[in-house]
Amino acid sequence: GAVVSQHPSRVICKSGTSVKIECRSLDFQATTMFWYRQFPKQSLMLMATSNEGSKATYEQGVEKDKFLINHASLTLSTLTVTSAHPEDSSFYICSARAPGGAGYGYTFGSGTRLTVV
Amino acid sequence: QKEVEQDPGPLSVPEGAIVSLNCTYSNSAFQYFMWYRQYSRKGPELLMYTYSSGNKEDGRFTAQVDKSSKYISLFIRDSQPSDSATYLCAMYYGNNRLAFGKGNQVVVIP
Repeated sequence: GAVVSQHPSRVICKSGTSVKIECRSLDFQATTMFWYRQFPKQSLMLMATSNEGSKATYEQGVEKDKFLINHASLTLSTLTVTSAHPEDSSFYICSARAPGGAGYGYTFGSGTRLTVV
Repeated sequence: QKEVEQDPGPLSVPEGAIVSLNCTYSNSAFQYFMWYRQYSRKGPELLMYTYSSGNKEDGRFTAQVDKSSKYISLFIRDSQPSDSATYLCAMYYGNNRLAFGKGNQVVVIP
């Protein structure tokens, strides 16, 4: 089945530094990938839609200068949290739609737990 | 904002019991209904999906949709400790958009 790999699984960084999270589709090409954020006991909230070769589309209220998204190839999207602060601590999950996949084919990565200290 | 209501309260059941989970929604634009299972510190994985009212069965899992009442359910029969996870309902409403519930944490006690 379709696999989406996300790295790193956990990262701790100091306030003010930047962190990059990678999302790869391992066995399919994804022109579109999605970045979600999940707080404890809360639902997944879509942050942005990453489009290969073009600018990402951000959801209302998400700072595009803070959460930089790059989708340079059909199998890789990256999310960079710039100048991270403790309130950015959260669980970040990427997703991609695998062609012909069940349930509209949404396949999720295993998530990245970001802790900003 | 598309709204999906799911009571996130933890649910503890003894092994072998039936687990019953549900979500309600308010928007008729939702076209497709899914249940995801999410283990701790992992991403969601698709469990069940359906687009029509009625029941859909897959092994120990049954998904139920009632579009007239805007209500969906997931039943897990003969629950196992390995079923302990958070279960999220999700609804597709077009334009690559999924709306998720908050998730139900389920604990199956051996």
